[in-house]
Amino acid sequence: DTEVTQTPKHLVMGMTNKKSLKCEQHMGHRAMYWYKQKAKKPPELMFVYSYEKLSINESVPSRFSPECPNSSLLNLHLHALQPEDSALYLCASGPNLQGRRETQYFGPGTRLLVL
Amino acid sequence: KQEVTQIPAALSVPEGENLVLNCSFTDSAIYNLQWFRQDPGKGLTSLLLIQSSQREQTSGRLNASLDKSSGRSTLYIAASQPGDSATYLCAVRPVETSGSRLTFGEGTQLTVNP
Repeated sequence: DTEVTQTPKHLVMGMTNKKSLKCEQHMGHRAMYWYKQKAKKPPELMFVYSYEKLSINESVPSRFSPECPNSSLLNLHLHALQPEDSALYLCASGPNLQGRRETQYFGPGTRLLVL
Repeated sequence: KQEVTQIPAALSVPEGENLVLNCSFTDSAIYNLQWFRQDPGKGLTSLLLIQSSQREQTSGRLNASLDKSSGRSTLYIAASQPGDSATYLCAVRPVETSGSRLTFGEGTQLTVNP
């Protein structure tokens, strides 16, 4: 199983809502990533978890709160978002955070619209 | 700071043509380079991964080369098909970040016309 799954596929939320994005992988990967991608731009790294611990936070606003409950799951909790946060949110996982053979497997993404 | 550039930004070709996408990076200290494909509104699909010690990788009609010393990679697509239409992204894994980050180029949007 080389699949990363993400739910929901689409999400529309108001600026006062609280919602969560979910990501799951069953490849035994110990590194998991959240990216944000705006239209016609490459993905921008937000967070990296290594062995269920947050290892990288790319100065992301606190209205985005990541959580890694176990080695297979990664959540992104959203609260008080702004319209400019509308984007495609991609989750990825990799087998070995610092290995030379490290690669990343991406999920299909969640398309988020903030009204 | 590592920067990745992809040329051209967009490319339109007739079906059956062989084509080359270019990727350049400013710092040759990389662990590996990866080519991805992205369909509109979808996630990224990994096409080829080239380790820094390798010169090329092949998968079906795709061939990727890497010249680390000159900071260049090319993705060659043979006998292009309309189904190849997508955005192609190249990404490097810089040594300076201990391999924990990917640095992406802006992508090449490919359209293959029937």
